Amino acid sequence: AQTVTQSQPEMSVQEAETVTLSCTYDTSESDYYLFWYKQPPSRQMILVIRQEAYKQQNATENRFSVNFQKAAKSFSLKISDSQLGDAAMYFCAYRRSAGNTGKLIFGQGTTLQVKP
Amino acid sequence: EPEVTQTPSHQVTQMGQEVILRCVPISNHLYFYWYRQILGQKVEFLVSFYNNEISEKSEIFDDQFSVERPDGSNFTLKIRSTKLEDSAMYFCASNLRQGGNQPQHFGDGTRLSIL
Repeated sequence: AQTVTQSQPEMSVQEAETVTLSCTYDTSESDYYLFWYKQPPSRQMILVIRQEAYKQQNATENRFSVNFQKAAKSFSLKISDSQLGDAAMYFCAYRRSAGNTGKLIFGQGTTLQVKP
Repeated sequence: EPEVTQTPSHQVTQMGQEVILRCVPISNHLYFYWYRQILGQKVEFLVSFYNNEISEKSEIFDDQFSVERPDGSNFTLKIRSTKLEDSAMYFCASNLRQGGNQPQHFGDGTRLSIL
């Protein structure tokens, strides 16, 4: 069975600085998708960034980028120029590729605090 | 942008009572999910639903749980006889396709408190 682990329950960053959130996963499959979701205090989970396992190039979305290390089964999220609005819980999630119902497997989450 | 909506935002129920959590997925989406998040713990998959039937369910989703899409728009999660350990946030999600890199869209969640 696939598992996702986020080993940092809490992180803090100074506004305008850069922070990296860690995520590791375990799977025997070669094709899958990885996601980072943000859950602000308003509770709705919002997609931050996604990565296809077959792509070697790391995904980037504005200030958000990932470091995808397939062999190490690592998928970290880097937030550059942190803003107060980035404060939230961040979840790493895994989804199988073919032959599945699309369910997401989540990590435990990392609460990010942004200090002004 | 279309959203997944969930009602109520907070439900308080006595142990042993039935509860129905409601969700309106995005209108053209075909795949529907329920997840739950016990306070301080990870988000856990409960069930996926497609073409008016359950396509996958987790070990958590036992006989006390059921889902249905009664009218083509609402997607409901029913817990027949609630237990204290059912207290959690319940999230509904929908997706246009089950696979690929299409993200699931989540609702705001319903906080279920069992007394």
